[in-house]
Parts: sequence; structure tokens; C-alpha cells
Amino acid sequence: GAVVSQHPSRVICKSGTSVKIECRSLDFQATTMFWYRQFPKKSLMLMATSNEGSKATYEQGVEKDKFLINHASLTLSTLTVTSAHPEDSSFYICSPGGQAGLNTEAFFGQGTRLTVV
Amino acid sequence: GDSVTQMEGPVTLSEEAFLTINCTYTATGYPSLFWYVQYPGEGLQLLLKATKADDKGSNKGFEATYRKETTSFHLEKGSVQVSDSAVYFCALLSGSARQLTFGSGTQLTVLP
Repeated sequence: GAVVSQHPSRVICKSGTSVKIECRSLDFQATTMFWYRQFPKKSLMLMATSNEGSKATYEQGVEKDKFLINHASLTLSTLTVTSAHPEDSSFYICSPGGQAGLNTEAFFGQGTRLTVV
Repeated sequence: GDSVTQMEGPVTLSEEAFLTINCTYTATGYPSLFWYVQYPGEGLQLLLKATKADDKGSNKGFEATYRKETTSFHLEKGSVQVSDSAVYFCALLSGSARQLTFGSGTQLTVLP
């Protein structure tokens, strides 16, 4: 299966600072990256879809200026949480799209546990 | 649009008990269906899948059968272990979508 590396796995930051989360597809080229957010005891909610070489598509209710997404290459997408606040504390997970055989499976990064204090 | 309805948790069982987690779906066409598992502090892992009606996915003693007539994909295991404690997500991928639609997740705790 596809190998997806997400970093960092855990991060604690102070309110007002920014945090960058990286997601790398190690053994294939991902033209698309899905970014999910998981609230405590809730399901995964799609936040945005990044596309290599073009602007990301954000789901309704997700602030574009707060959650900056960059898809610089076919193997790297980043999510930056800007001016973080405690309510941004959550579990963030990436999943590459554009994979051959996506109709039979999806792969995920290990996730990033963000805690804003 | 597509949706997945999953049994509310949390579920607490004793070791070796029988497990059922219900999952029903709404989708256009003929979706692929999945169960993902999330162990504490980790990301999602595919547990099993089924891509067409009447298919049975199985892995690690877990099973789920794709029932088109009832639009269901219930997860079962005959004898759970403490190590099965995790959150289980039912999900679907319909033909036109590129991302998964997830159910709300069910927290399972197995006591020794």
C-alpha cells in the first residue's frame, strides 16, 4: 500500500503562534491531498482539498486565512494553522488522493495532535 | 449526498464477547465500503473493505458483509480481545467522489 508520512505527530503551541503540519507521500505522486480534522469523540470532517499547482478547495465553514494549505509538489502538502487558539486544538489527518486504485482503498498519515495552550 | 450512519458508542464489552457495530449508508450508485480502525494516539488504518454487493470483507477476526438490499455494512467479531479497544469508523467511497465519507465513529473498550 501507499506510504504516507505526516509530521509532527504531536505539537503543543502557545496561543497566537502558527504551526505547520507536513504530509508526504513517500512512494507515489499525489496530485490531491485531503485534510481532515477530528474533534474529540467525533468523526473526521473534511476541511479542504489541496491540489498540486493550484489553490486549495475549502469546505464550508473552514477559514481559508486561518488554515493555509500549500501543495508545493506531488509528494508534499502542508497545512499551517495560523494564529492558533485553544479551539483549534484537534487531531489533523491527511490522506493523498489521485492514487491508482483509490476506489478500493484510501491511505492516511499518522495524524497530528495539536494542543494550543 | 452520501452519508454514513453508524451505531453510537461507547461500547464496552468483556473479553471474548461477541461484537456488532451497525453501519448503514446512503449513496448514489454502487459505493465501496470500508471499516477503519484508530488505535489510541494513532492515525487511521484500514481494517477491511468490500467493493460490491454480497462481498464479505474480513481481517483479524472481524467481518462485514456488503448488503445492498438493506444498505448496511455491519462489523462483527465473534470473540473480542482487549487489544481490539479502539475507535471504529465505517466509511464509503462512491463512484464520483474522491474522498471518503465517514460515519461518526464508535469507541470500543474491551475489559479483561
